Amino acid sequence: GIQVEQSPPDLILQEGANSTLRCNFSDSVNNLQWFHQNPWGQLINLFYIPSGTKQNGRLSATTVATERYSLLYISSSQTTDSGVYFCACTDKLIFGTGTRLQVFP
Amino acid sequence: ETGVTQSPTHLIKTRGQQVTLRCSSQSGHNTVSWYQQALGQGPQFIFQYYREEENGRGNFPPRFSGLQFPNYSSELNVNALELDDSALYLCASTSTGGNEQFFGPGTRLTVL
Repeated sequence: GIQVEQSPPDLILQEGANSTLRCNFSDSVNNLQWFHQNPWGQLINLFYIPSGTKQNGRLSATTVATERYSLLYISSSQTTDSGVYFCACTDKLIFGTGTRLQVFP
Repeated sequence: ETGVTQSPTHLIKTRGQQVTLRCSSQSGHNTVSWYQQALGQGPQFIFQYYREEENGRGNFPPRFSGLQFPNYSSELNVNALELDDSALYLCASTSTGGNEQFFGPGTRLTVL
């Protein structure tokens, strides 16, 4: 089956810094989503992005389907950005291992 | 528009017991998927229901079973609970003809 890998596993930032999270997948996909999981476990939809580039405020994402990777950019990070970020692929979502982000004031 | 809801929020059971978790899909969504998330890991796909029929299953034993009702709400049943079944159980719904999944807040199950 398809393999999904995320990097880095952990990221520690000071407030205001920018970051890039990466998601590699082993086969072509027709669905790719980015999520933020808050401390209470809720998965919050960030982007549905099987290909192309999207932006939403301080967050943006790019998926290059032909090269089987997606990037999530977080600019001017805030403490509320802390949590675990997951990418997931296919219609029966296969999740990566996540990136744990901690933003300190 | 009401989002995906799940009940109960928390549940404590003992080994060998049976449990039923419930999920109400978002309005207009006819597909429901269930996931298990163990501590420190990403969610794992259990199964998906589309129009009351199972539409795909992950690597989970038959004691994990489900139902979808005509109003598209769904249940996850787990029999003969084991300690390793302790996890956060997440339900997600997908709109008709769509691919994007939206998640509920989850049910945290503890098996003692």
